[in-house]
Amino acid sequence: QSALTQPRSVSGSPGQSVTISCTGTSSDVGGYNYVSWYQQHPGKAPKLMVYDVSKRPSGVPDRFSGSKSGNTASLTISGLQAEDEADYYCCSYAGSYTLEVFGGGTKLTVL
Amino acid sequence: QVQLQESGPGLVKPSQTLSLTCTVSGGSISSDDYYWSWIRQPPGKGLEWIGYIYYSGSTYYNPSLESRVTISVGTSKNQFSLRLSSVTAADTAVYFCARRKGYSSSWFDPWGQGTLVTISS
Repeated sequence: QSALTQPRSVSGSPGQSVTISCTGTSSDVGGYNYVSWYQQHPGKAPKLMVYDVSKRPSGVPDRFSGSKSGNTASLTISGLQAEDEADYYCCSYAGSYTLEVFGGGTKLTVL
Repeated sequence: QVQLQESGPGLVKPSQTLSLTCTVSGGSISSDDYYWSWIRQPPGKGLEWIGYIYYSGSTYYNPSLESRVTISVGTSKNQFSLRLSSVTAADTAVYFCARRKGYSSSWFDPWGQGTLVTISS
């Protein structure tokens, strides 16, 4: 069982928006502003999409945005495109003992 | 830009030790701003953080794997390595190395392409 809880799947039509949630505890997501999100296409390495809850690396489209409320972080993808179809994983820093925890992953299907 | 590349055997027998190396190019592993990480992904499953190392040799491990994991750094070769002992079929996974930002921020980027390690006799 993964430490952070994500929905197994979400879907949306091109042009629409979808939000993927990532629920943890006050010891990880709720305790630090160190949530990151990764996109993974089949057979490829994960790619950093959002870090420190809401910051975007250079080169990542502004269609991708992150936020957090309490123990739940969210990744919102607006203006869905076919190439957004992938698995998405959240990750949170979880303190000096557990250190890093990932979510179980969410499969995004673009209809 | 910084690139990472994993290398090592693709098949390991049960009870033996899995050994992988990550070679860093385009940047120095001795940077004081980063940790060097191992993350794995069993087939069809999610990501699991294994541990990371600072260039000074300080290590940080997933508590669930700590008794079997050793991560070491070879600054002269710009490499770091993973050893996982007493492996079982449950350790079959794609193993990724990645750079982890340290201090006042937290993210893994870039990642190596990953290498599949199968545990089987």
